[in-house]
Amino acid sequence: GQQLNQSPQSMFIQEGEDVSMNCTSSSIFNTWLWYKQDPGEGPVLLIALYKAGELTSNGRLTAQFGITRKDSFLNISASIPSDVGIYFCAGQVNRDDKIIFGKGTRLHILP
Amino acid sequence: NAGVMQNPRHLVRRRGQEARLRCSPMKGHSHVYWYRQLPEEGLKFMVYLQKENIIDESGMPKERFSAEFPKEGPSILRIQQVVRGDSAAYFCASSPPALTVQYFGAGTRLSVL
Repeated sequence: GQQLNQSPQSMFIQEGEDVSMNCTSSSIFNTWLWYKQDPGEGPVLLIALYKAGELTSNGRLTAQFGITRKDSFLNISASIPSDVGIYFCAGQVNRDDKIIFGKGTRLHILP
Repeated sequence: NAGVMQNPRHLVRRRGQEARLRCSPMKGHSHVYWYRQLPEEGLKFMVYLQKENIIDESGMPKERFSAEFPKEGPSILRIQQVVRGDSAAYFCASSPPALTVQYFGAGTRLSVL
């Protein structure tokens, strides 16, 4: 079946550092989504990407939809403590298809 | 505008009992999705419903699990004769008809004793 591979699985960074994580697939997706999940909560949508090559920002977050439609990355600039959490990428082929989630990248910020 | 509402937030059941998880989508959303999340794992798709219709249930276990989204009222995920392996967080998401994006509730954490 379709799978999304996220890397890295976890990251330990200093506050103020930039963060980069990515998501790859062996098959094409026509929509890429990035979510963040805080402990005990549901995922919250950060960025949605609908076109190959699209680069979209949301504050300190920037995400890109890969040209091949088989990958996407998320960057966070100047990390702050509230960025701690799990970041999930998700892909969808067509509008009424199920969304496939990666296993997440766990971001930790060192004091 | 209230978000996706799930209740209860926590549910404890003994083996063999039934679990009923409820999800009220955001206002104007007619599509509901259910996912299961195990600790340290991503979300696994279970079922996609529109009002009174199951569109895709390819992620649902063949036995003991069922879902509905009636014309009136919340969507219900029902697990009969629960077993320890059913312990997980169950998330509901909703989306409007014209958009792909799904908005998630805070989840129901099911613990089976």
